[in-house]
Amino acid sequence: DIHITQSPSSLSASVGDRLTISCRASQAIGNSLAWYQQKPGEVPKLLIYAATTLQSGDPSRFSGSGSGTDFTLTISSLQPEDVATYFCLKYDSAPQTFGQGTKVEFK
Amino acid sequence: QMQLVQSGAEVKKAGSSVKVSCRLSGGTFTNSAISWVRQAPGQGLEWMGGVVPMLGIVNYGRKFQGRVTIAADEVATTVHMEVTSLTSEDTAVYYCARDMVLRRGSGVLTMKPGDYWGQGTLVTVSS
Repeated sequence: DIHITQSPSSLSASVGDRLTISCRASQAIGNSLAWYQQKPGEVPKLLIYAATTLQSGDPSRFSGSGSGTDFTLTISSLQPEDVATYFCLKYDSAPQTFGQGTKVEFK
Repeated sequence: QMQLVQSGAEVKKAGSSVKVSCRLSGGTFTNSAISWVRQAPGQGLEWMGGVVPMLGIVNYGRKFQGRVTIAADEVATTVHMEVTSLTSEDTAVYYCARDMVLRRGSGVLTMKPGDYWGQGTLVTVSS
């Protein structure tokens, strides 16, 4: 099975900061990577799919990049409502696999 | 508006089984697959398995094979998931999620995964 390594596990930042979260696959997965945001007590929400495509309705400060084995989620200017845990998911073929998650907090 | 509606919370004894259902309303299985994802308290997301009803394909995560069964009822647009031989480690919130099929060709499905999620079902396993 393909393994996904997500980093960092947590980070602290200030409003307006630029953040990057990474996911690395143990084998090439093309562009079959998605990113989710999960706020405390809520259901996960799709942000990005096909590595770079922003889900309809999501703010444009979220962007995704990468292909093959290395992928990045970027938040261009952190807002208070972005405090959450972010997960990547590889879905090129079964089994799908989530990254371990990155908890984003304010300094 | 598409919705995934899951069955209610369950409390089970260790060694027993649990069945959780997920009904797709406002949509069809024609362009949908359904995945099951669980989240133990304070932990991350774990993909358990999924079904593509229009193709009759079911896949499971390696650790769940033999203990989890996923089945689709196309008439009722409902997917059921059963977990057997429960232990305390199965205590978690169980989610179903819709994976939209964008394109189908040459045996390959192009998907948009997890664009809709159910509200979650808490399963508590006690010893």
